[in-house]
Amino acid sequence: DGGITQSPKYLFRKEGQNVTLSCEQNLNHDAMYWYRQDPGQGLRLIYYSQIVNDFQKGDIAEGYSVSREKKESFPLTVTSAQKNPTAFYLCASRDGLSYNEQFFGPGTRLTVL
Amino acid sequence: RKEVEQDPGPFNVPEGATVAFNCTYSNSASQSFFWYRQDCRKEPKLLMSVYSSGNEDGRFTAQLNRASQYISLLIRDSKLSDSATYLCVVSPLANYGGSQGNLIFGKGTKLSVKP
Repeated sequence: DGGITQSPKYLFRKEGQNVTLSCEQNLNHDAMYWYRQDPGQGLRLIYYSQIVNDFQKGDIAEGYSVSREKKESFPLTVTSAQKNPTAFYLCASRDGLSYNEQFFGPGTRLTVL
Repeated sequence: RKEVEQDPGPFNVPEGATVAFNCTYSNSASQSFFWYRQDCRKEPKLLMSVYSSGNEDGRFTAQLNRASQYISLLIRDSKLSDSATYLCVVSPLANYGGSQGNLIFGKGTKLSVKP
């Protein structure tokens, strides 16, 4: 089945530690995205990538880093510089040929202890 | 003015009711419009795209008014399974801040359908 996978589903981290969230897609989509969602809030864009080996900052990139070495993979690192990292993180992908829908992974719920 | 604004709700309705959600957007150059559905603690999923002529999918009808920068979603004969948060989503023009294909999400309107 084609889709997007994110792992882990739940992640606990101590303050001051970096952590990497995985996102993999087998939809052959060119574009991939990372969003953050806080309770009662809309999705906010962290980083996006239109093509392999290229990525752009979104609205709230501070304290985060990404890489896009393969078309299928777009991992997100939450660094210790991120002031309030506890949130629900969603990865999405989109067929680069159109403005069609973004497909979302199941999300990773990160809690900083 | 926020880029995409929605009434947060919650909307509490009985089964069988008709419910309407409204959404306004600030960027008049916006190009694509969508309604996504998000269940509690789950990822958003596309419910329907919104076209200028309006479109219908079963019990769901979406309307777009570009002049008023307004989008609506109507749910008829609501079911218990319609309980979720409905996200209004807008995609700006390709050259808007270099964000081709990026989506702007509203905060969502929560719907609770009761027996």
